[in-house]
Amino acid sequence: SYDLTQPLSVSVALGQTATITCGGDNIGSKNVHWYQQKPGQAPVLVIYRDNNRPSGIPERISGSNSGNTATLSITRAQAGDEAAYYCQVWATSSVIFGGGTKLTVL
Amino acid sequence: QVQLGESGGGVVQPGRSLRLSCAASGFTFSGYVIHWVRQAPGKGLEWVAVIWFDGSNKDYADSVKGRFTVSKDNSKNTLYLDMNSLRAEDTAVYYCAADSNGWNYFDYWGQGTLVTVSS
Repeated sequence: SYDLTQPLSVSVALGQTATITCGGDNIGSKNVHWYQQKPGQAPVLVIYRDNNRPSGIPERISGSNSGNTATLSITRAQAGDEAAYYCQVWATSSVIFGGGTKLTVL
Repeated sequence: QVQLGESGGGVVQPGRSLRLSCAASGFTFSGYVIHWVRQAPGKGLEWVAVIWFDGSNKDYADSVKGRFTVSKDNSKNTLYLDMNSLRAEDTAVYYCAADSNGWNYFDYWGQGTLVTVSS
């Protein structure tokens, strides 16, 4: 099976840049997608295919993917960015999610 | 506007069955690959099952294979998840999620329905 590893939690000061990593074996060869989930709500797609933003997602949110690590970056962090973030790939004929990272904006 | 709405959740005893439904609107249902994803209380997302555009191809997570069956009725724009031999560890919010591009990511999600397996 294929595993994705995310930090349990990341903290960022208001207005600063948050970086959330997603580790996997040669993940750079896969398409990585990212979801934001706020408490009590369904997940929302924020990045697809490594670095593409769906309409309505601010340019402050970006993604990259290389080697064994994919990264979600949120610049000028706002209180409204506080949420859980999940990376996701298609591997071994299955959808795989990372364990999720809780982003706290201080 | 694309909308997905799940229903059918509730409290069920271990070993019993339950059917979830996912009603779709605002898009050509028959043109999308649709998945079920679940989330146990306080836990992360877990993929459950997928069904292809015309319902001809299906796949399941190992944790539910042989117990859950996914199906769709394109004429009713509705997706189903039949869950048998339910276990306590199946307790979760179940989401249906649509893949509109075939790239195996989910651009549309329902609001979820809670299934609680408990005696």
